[in-house]
Amino acid sequence: AQSVTQLDSQVPVFEEAPVELRCNYSSSVSVYLFWYVQYPNQGLQLLLKYLSGSTLVKGINGFEAEFNKSQTSFHLRKPSVHISDTAEYFCAVSRGSSNTGKLIFGQGTTLQVKP
Amino acid sequence: NAGVTQTPKFQVLKTGQSMTLQCAQDMNHNSMYWYRQDPGMGLRLIYYSASEGTTDKGEVPNGYNVSRLNKREFSLRLESAAPSQTSVYFCASWTSGRGSSYNEQFFGPGTRLTVL
Repeated sequence: AQSVTQLDSQVPVFEEAPVELRCNYSSSVSVYLFWYVQYPNQGLQLLLKYLSGSTLVKGINGFEAEFNKSQTSFHLRKPSVHISDTAEYFCAVSRGSSNTGKLIFGQGTTLQVKP
Repeated sequence: NAGVTQTPKFQVLKTGQSMTLQCAQDMNHNSMYWYRQDPGMGLRLIYYSASEGTTDKGEVPNGYNVSRLNKREFSLRLESAAPSQTSVYFCASWTSGRGSSYNEQFFGPGTRLTVL
């Protein structure tokens, strides 16, 4: 069975500082990996996804993530955060080449950007 | 394209009442999903429909039923609401293929349900 662990429930950071949100997964088969962002009182929006190919994936709003198969991790990074990045971030995994698209989500990490 | 739409946006029920949450997508996606989101627990899958005419249980199906009415629409029904079903409910859709918008789930704006 697959599972996802987001190692930090809350990450406070000052504006313009770099940030890393950590995500580890467990799976015995190949996987697709995703990061979603949820702004207050809104639905989820895709930040980026890894399906295959280059292990460094670039997404929207200056975020990027690196797939590390040996460490079963998919950490999300941004070199300089803005107040507007304050939101909840979810890591998710699906079975590679899935015919159902089912996702398993982590518990979420709240990013709090302070001025 | 509207993407994934959900109705209603907000609902308050009394214990024992029933209601149906509606979801529709206009992206011609094959698969659709219902999740609930509770604080500190991420999103948990209630039911999903891999294709028109099929439905399957997810992680937390008890107390819910679903109907895949056609390719566009997937409804979630609470037959006898309980306070434990107070949550935010999200619908999503997905399809496989090649290209930037495939192999990812698209989410609706959510329904905030309170059961008193």
